[in-house]
Amino acid sequence: EVQLLESGGGLVQRGGSLRLSCAASGFTFTSDAMSWVRQAPGKGLEWVSTVSGSAGDTYYIDSVKGRFTVSRDNSKNTLYLQMNSLRAEDTAVYYCAGSAGHYYPFWVWGQGTTVTVSS
Amino acid sequence: EIVLTQSPGTLSLSPGERATLSCRASQSVSSSYLAWCQQKPGQAPRLLIYGASSRATGIPDRFSGSGSGTDFTLTISRLEPEDFAVYYCQQSGNSPFTFGPGTRVDIK
Repeated sequence: EVQLLESGGGLVQRGGSLRLSCAASGFTFTSDAMSWVRQAPGKGLEWVSTVSGSAGDTYYIDSVKGRFTVSRDNSKNTLYLQMNSLRAEDTAVYYCAGSAGHYYPFWVWGQGTTVTVSS
Repeated sequence: EIVLTQSPGTLSLSPGERATLSCRASQSVSSSYLAWCQQKPGQAPRLLIYGASSRATGIPDRFSGSGSGTDFTLTISRLEPEDFAVYYCQQSGNSPFTFGPGTRVDIK
């Protein structure tokens, strides 16, 4: 069964840090680009970051550049998002999602992990 | 940044009716990079349509996508009870990838 399982969310103070993880199973993890997409409470979806299958290329939305770092460990089939200098507007459910490549649609999604930044 | 606008914001329909959802882009999007996903309350999104008109694995044929350039459409031919949800269009051809604000399809 194809599965993505996020963890690491929680309540953190403004300016704090958090690391999210996403464990993949049931598909060839190294073949897929992996992304983080977030959804603020009651709002729509926002793409945050993508890392290529080889981890050689990373991409970010402007609002998180310099604060968030996406990475992956292909030996563990795991995706990460290191989030520093967190702001109230980073409060959201964070989903990991897989795609066949950077410009491909997200064909598999995790169930999400909630990040709450208190001010 | 490509801005996607979806209309209507909410669509109130009865089971068995046809739903037509629109997605308009602020600039031309290659059909290869236009997708639609469905999200039910408390659940993750699910890919329905990719490449503007190709159904994802396991998606019933009552779902169809069409369009090109700046105008795209998702059609649900006959609504089933499980289809009442929020639908998002998404473009992945230009970074940053963007989603539309969503169309909620609810039961009339």
